[in-house]
Amino acid sequence: NAGVTQTPKFRVLKTGQSMTLLCAQDMNHEYMYWYRQDPGMGLRLIHYSVGEGTTAKGEVPDGYNVSRLKKQNFLLGLESAAPSQTSVYFCASSYESNQPQHFGDGTRLSIL
Amino acid sequence: DQQVKQNSPSLSVQEGRISILNCDYTNSMFDYFLWYKKYPAEGPTFLISISSIKDKNEDGRFTVFLNKSAKHLSLHIVPSQPGDSAVYFCAARGEYRDDKIIFGKGTRLHILP
Repeated sequence: NAGVTQTPKFRVLKTGQSMTLLCAQDMNHEYMYWYRQDPGMGLRLIHYSVGEGTTAKGEVPDGYNVSRLKKQNFLLGLESAAPSQTSVYFCASSYESNQPQHFGDGTRLSIL
Repeated sequence: DQQVKQNSPSLSVQEGRISILNCDYTNSMFDYFLWYKKYPAEGPTFLISISSIKDKNEDGRFTVFLNKSAKHLSLHIVPSQPGDSAVYFCAARGEYRDDKIIFGKGTRLHILP
């Protein structure tokens, strides 16, 4: 039982490049989330999804897009990476919105 | 405006003693509170939660206390063990289905030998 799997684990990009972070969960959870963690800032919600085919904005959505074409996958896209997007990105999922979330191990992204 | 505040960035406790991590919140509509634990290079893992209808919830060495009038909760770890060294995040959410979980900035706990 893998839980929540994030790929890649590390990535270095140049400013202006694009990339997609993949999150996969095998727990049949309806809800999925993308967070970023920055030093001294805790976890901030970027986008989330309440089910297959749905997405919604979180606290810090600018510069990111997401898609939930399949229930088990939640993709986070950076169309034109900026140094301010250097961060550790965490994906999480939960069965219901009021249930504790299960987190992946994170993707460390550096934008040069 | 920070709705969930963990005012101590770090805390050091002797092994075997009690660790007390504190959390304050400003939104009186929060009715469900959680604590997560995070090791380096890993994602946060759920530790314990408490509903606003309770003032205490216990799970083994971990106890969470909620003081709604003071908008304060605390996590007690007794006895503290070396494996408890980690970052602890306090989190809270409102009562409605669409309410999101709001995380604090975290407290790094060091258990000293």
